[in-house]
Amino acid sequence: DGGITQSPKYLFRKEGQNVTLSCEQNLNHDAMYWYRQDPGQGLRLIYYSQIVNDFQKGDIAEGYSVSREKKESFPLTVTSAQKNPTAFYLCASSIGMAAGEQFFGPGTRLTVL
Amino acid sequence: EDQVTQSPEALRLQEGESSSLNCSYTVSGLRGLFWYRQDPGKGPEFLFTLYSAGEEKEKERLKATLTKKESFLHITAPKPEDSATYLCAVPNSGTYKYIFGTGTRLKVLA
Repeated sequence: DGGITQSPKYLFRKEGQNVTLSCEQNLNHDAMYWYRQDPGQGLRLIYYSQIVNDFQKGDIAEGYSVSREKKESFPLTVTSAQKNPTAFYLCASSIGMAAGEQFFGPGTRLTVL
Repeated sequence: EDQVTQSPEALRLQEGESSSLNCSYTVSGLRGLFWYRQDPGKGPEFLFTLYSAGEEKEKERLKATLTKKESFLHITAPKPEDSATYLCAVPNSGTYKYIFGTGTRLKVLA
């Protein structure tokens, strides 16, 4: 079955640590996205990638970094510079940028201890 | 500025009590309006795409409609398993970003 996987489902981070969230898709989609979801707020875009080896900052990129070395993979690193990282993180993909629907992974809940 | 507004924020229905959720949008050159269902602690699940005014899509007890200014998600004879947050989204007119509404939390009581 085609789809998007995210791991881990739950992640705990200590102050000052960097953590990496995994996102893999086997839908053969070119575009991939990372969103952050907080209670009572809409999804906020962190980073997006139109194609391999290319990515752009979204609306709230500070304290985050990404890479896109393979079409299938778009990992997100939450750095110690992100002051309020506790949130639900969602990865998504679509056939192309702003083309058609986005499909989402199951999410990773990150908690800072 | 492009934006998406969903109403109501929350809705409680008795099982079998039909209702509608609203998604109002302001964007130049609509390139699709998308509806999602999101269960607590899970990623949004894609439901429908609408591209032009007058278009309708149906799936089980759900029907989505589109006008030039808003979209409705009609829920007919809902069941408790329809309880979820329903999100709508549109692509921004000037960039490649999608704008998501804050959602409607639907609770269907048995």
